[in-house]
Amino acid sequence: EADIYQTPRYLVIGTGKKITLECSQTMGHDKMYWYQQDPGMELHLIHYSYGVNSTEKGDLSSESTVSRIRTEHFPLTLESARPSHTSQYLCASSERLGSYEQYFGPGTRLTVT
Amino acid sequence: AQTVTQSQPEMSVQEAETVTLSCTYDTSESDYYLFWYKQPPSRQMILVIRQEAYKQQNATENRFSVNFQKAAKSFSLKISDSQLGDAAMYFCAYRSAGSEKLVFGKGTKLTVNP
Repeated sequence: EADIYQTPRYLVIGTGKKITLECSQTMGHDKMYWYQQDPGMELHLIHYSYGVNSTEKGDLSSESTVSRIRTEHFPLTLESARPSHTSQYLCASSERLGSYEQYFGPGTRLTVT
Repeated sequence: AQTVTQSQPEMSVQEAETVTLSCTYDTSESDYYLFWYKQPPSRQMILVIRQEAYKQQNATENRFSVNFQKAAKSFSLKISDSQLGDAAMYFCAYRSAGSEKLVFGKGTKLTVNP
């Protein structure tokens, strides 16, 4: 399996709380991505980054924000969690050049009560 | 906008048999990549196989092969000699050569019966 890690794996939190989902990779990949996946549904890209200090919004509108201060780290933050944020969040990375393969982390399953 | 359709929400196969998962896509691009990803229960999503649109030859990875029909915009996955470890959600995905975005289908849940 790829060297990409996400913490926490599971999180239950109350409405209005601020949360940060962590994602780290040890492969030195420039590109990193965040996807949202509802149960039994396809993945939707919510954020991506080309490298340090680069962040872009994906197709799916999201109230979350991301930062990329270090190559290996790409955290996602929700300033005020709501029940509509309940979902699985998957982080991925890929090399700047090459085959476009994306390596996925194990995901964080978030429940907002 | 590009779309990916997987028409089989669930499939089942007997161990050691062969199964084919269907995928169609819609695009006006000529240069793109197609992927099959596997997501086992509670485990990381991993790439199974990749096909470049400019290649006519179908990709093969051990027991996994694809039938890529560019004109029909079809990209099916064949799993031969199915094993219990093949049980998972399988996602078909598309990526334009000029884009960062992977477009996923809704997935097919594959069950392998012993």
